[in-house]
Amino acid sequence: TQLLEQSPQFLSIQEGENLTVYCNSSSVFSSLQWYRQEPGEGPVLLVTVVTGGEVKKLKRLTFQFGDARKDSSLHITAAQPGDTGLYLCAGIQGAQKLVFGQGTRLTINP
Amino acid sequence: IAGITQAPTSQILAAGRRMTLRCTQDMRHNAMYWYRQDLGLGLRLIHYSNTAGTTGKGEVPDGYSVSRANTDDFPLTLASAVPSQTSVYFCASSLLRLAAKLGELFFGEGSRLTVL
Repeated sequence: TQLLEQSPQFLSIQEGENLTVYCNSSSVFSSLQWYRQEPGEGPVLLVTVVTGGEVKKLKRLTFQFGDARKDSSLHITAAQPGDTGLYLCAGIQGAQKLVFGQGTRLTINP
Repeated sequence: IAGITQAPTSQILAAGRRMTLRCTQDMRHNAMYWYRQDLGLGLRLIHYSNTAGTTGKGEVPDGYSVSRANTDDFPLTLASAVPSQTSVYFCASSLLRLAAKLGELFFGEGSRLTVL
């Protein structure tokens, strides 16, 4: 059982469309992170959200932390082929364990 | 620009053999981690180290061991490899020890290990 459940696991859309990826848990997290991973590379941090209800924007990407700090979402506006990749959410469990969701593999078709 | 260097990039290994994956960072980060990444399971923590001389167990530590003799190096050893250890292994580091507030993890490019 995954502590952090991401949905959908796979998403393929056309360039210019909007999309939302979700990261859900039954546990409360003090903060959550979103990483993006490209083939053959390690994940790279996109954002950290720390306050319930917080919204952060990174160009066309909007990240939201749920009010109860159990879930987060990533919304991409006008997706571009360069957005293609594996998107991972991560949160702290216990004193030292950063746990990851299983990831959402996003493909943007030209 | 270096950051985190992992070696080897890829390795095919016979079951029962011993294997050490190397990880070196040049950012003087205190904390280092080893994750394995498997399709549908995401990244799972194997072992971590908060500082040189200390290590701790993650979610899936069985069959793996680590050491942290100095700040820069954090090797991962498979004493007797089994096919279920076929995976992509990522080493990561962070400046601060993970606590209530998350610091950024910096990842290497991964080591793809196949155990036959």
